[in-house]
Amino acid sequence: GENVEQHPSTLSVQEGDSAVIKCTYSDSASNYFPWYKQELGKRPQLIIDIRSNVGEKKDQRIAVTLNKTAKHFSLHITETQPEDSAVYFCAASDGNTPLVFGKGTRLSVIA
Amino acid sequence: DGGITQSPKYLFRKEGQNVTLSCEQNLNHDAMYWYRQDPGQGLRLIYYSQIVNDFQKGDIAEGYSVSREKKESFPLTVTSAQKNPTAFYLCASSIEGVNMNTEAFFGQGTRLTVV
Repeated sequence: GENVEQHPSTLSVQEGDSAVIKCTYSDSASNYFPWYKQELGKRPQLIIDIRSNVGEKKDQRIAVTLNKTAKHFSLHITETQPEDSAVYFCAASDGNTPLVFGKGTRLSVIA
Repeated sequence: DGGITQSPKYLFRKEGQNVTLSCEQNLNHDAMYWYRQDPGQGLRLIYYSQIVNDFQKGDIAEGYSVSREKKESFPLTVTSAQKNPTAFYLCASSIEGVNMNTEAFFGQGTRLTVV
């Protein structure tokens, strides 16, 4: 089955700097890669996703890149703000089985 | 107000007792899921259901049971056979049961503590 590895487990950045979180997956059949943000005490919510037919997707200050050959994808957050502080999860799915999640990255943005 | 609702928010259980966590959705989603969240472990799949009256085991199903008698409801029972049940439990749903490459919507979670 699919295995998703996520790094780093914790990340601290200064406000205004960029943050990058990386994930690798094992199943070459996976074709859907969402990212979820979970603020303290709240439910995970989708912030961006990418499918295997594209290499990059942007939404304002966040972007995701996908390298199918290397089987890794990354989340990029630019101009970080204190409200970006949260736990971020990557996930992968081949469409036939449920999402498999990484272990999460706790991002702290220091003002 | 559409969404996915879990209850209760906090639940305390004595060792040896079974408890049932409720999950209801009014999004008309076909698929529903239960995940367990432990610190540093991410979200691990317990059970999922792609359609009414059908469900499949996930990676950590031992000690848990589910039912899917109605499209809107997917309750999770934590049995006494689950050796380490203290955790945060998240229910989720997605619109399609056949193609699961769609957004998963999560409930607010239930924090279960064994006392």
